[in-house]
Amino acid sequence: QSVLTQPPSVSAAPGQKVTISCSGTSSNIGNNYVTWYQQFPGTAPRLLIYDNNKRPSGIPDRFSGSKSGTSATLGITGLQTGDEADYYCGTWDNSLRAGVFGGGTRLTVL
Amino acid sequence: QVQLQESGPGLVKPSETLSLTCTVSGGSVTSDYWSWIRQPPGKGLEWIGDIYHRGITNYNPSLKSRVTLSVDTSKNQLSLRLTSVTATDTAVYYCARDLQAEYSSGWSIYFAPWGQGTLVTVSS
Repeated sequence: QSVLTQPPSVSAAPGQKVTISCSGTSSNIGNNYVTWYQQFPGTAPRLLIYDNNKRPSGIPDRFSGSKSGTSATLGITGLQTGDEADYYCGTWDNSLRAGVFGGGTRLTVL
Repeated sequence: QVQLQESGPGLVKPSETLSLTCTVSGGSVTSDYWSWIRQPPGKGLEWIGDIYHRGITNYNPSLKSRVTLSVDTSKNQLSLRLTSVTATDTAVYYCARDLQAEYSSGWSIYFAPWGQGTLVTVSS
């Protein structure tokens, strides 16, 4: 059981937009910054978004992040088949004093 | 750029100790925090803990009684020890650079880059 809650799967057609939600509490998302990772099968996760909405160099601006209260959202526009992957949100939890993640969301580009 | 590579036994017997090493290249282990994260097959990510070279450590409360992280500055390596393992400790284990800062609006913590990961299976 993950501390942060994500939908198990989302899907959309190529070229469309999709959003992935991440829900937490005031102990984690509500009072800390949110991060998003992208993971292709058999590979290590890759940093996609940090500090709620910042993109590391090399990440296309089709990927965006936002946070409101105790929830965060990853948005992907102009979907490509190459975006099919698992996406994880993460943050720090002040009560657990630990890094925490969501259970991951599998994105399918139909 | 910084690169990380995990290494260690791929098979550990139940009740024994899991020991892994992470070799850092392109950077120094003295310059940042470093985390270990694991992922059971087909499941999500679990943060194990992090370490700063001056011996500062934070551990996931769920693993705290069994895990020890250390740094060898002479070899530019990180180490993970997990005692009394069971089948539930079977996972891909990753090391990652841990970038963290505390702001007035909260903690920022993120992991980049990651090592490629190493699968450890607990089985007799």
